[in-house]
Amino acid sequence: DAKTTQPPSMDCAEGRAANLPCNHSTISGNEYVYWYRQIHSQGPQYIIHGLKNNETNEMASLIITEDRKSSTLILPHATLRDTAVYYCILTNSGYALNFGKGTSLLVTP
Amino acid sequence: KAGVTQTPRYLIKTRGQQVTLSCSPISGHRSVSWYQQTPGQGLQFLFEYFSETQRNKGNFPGRFSGRQFSNSRSEMNVSTLELGDSALYLCASRLDSEQFFGPGTRLTVL
Repeated sequence: DAKTTQPPSMDCAEGRAANLPCNHSTISGNEYVYWYRQIHSQGPQYIIHGLKNNETNEMASLIITEDRKSSTLILPHATLRDTAVYYCILTNSGYALNFGKGTSLLVTP
Repeated sequence: KAGVTQTPRYLIKTRGQQVTLSCSPISGHRSVSWYQQTPGQGLQFLFEYFSETQRNKGNFPGRFSGRQFSNSRSEMNVSTLELGDSALYLCASRLDSEQFFGPGTRLTVL
């Protein structure tokens, strides 16, 4: 069973920030929050991960609440190529065991 | 550096046959994981190999098996194919904390 809860779909206007939420209220102390995305018919692509501190890289920012029960992936300036299914995953082993259903993000012109 | 490669990319088989899929990880990566993706069940974990040893296995029947060679290349085998085995099979390699996925093998069982 998925240990994360994500909205099934979201829309975002091109050029605006896309904020994708994820709830993980039963997260264990040694579990990391990972985000991957999958563009139609391709293999998933790693985006970012974190344990308890906020993280930023060239693709996105990850904000984790202090109690670690939820997180938000932020794509600062969404483009049409960011249209994909985004998966929020918990793991303490470095590889994903359960992807869940993810959030289908549609970026519109 | 070359990415994860999977062969073949597309495959059509009939019920009862068996199939072997191949995955070549990124050079230096010793961990290889396999996943099955279907519209109904989404992405499901099959198994993970590290240094030729299966370290973890998902909830799939024994018809699904795999192995890893000394050069870290991995194969997965599905015997006695069923219609429900039609899916995209993905493998991913990992060195540290980030998984790199291949393009997948699209298996169709008729």
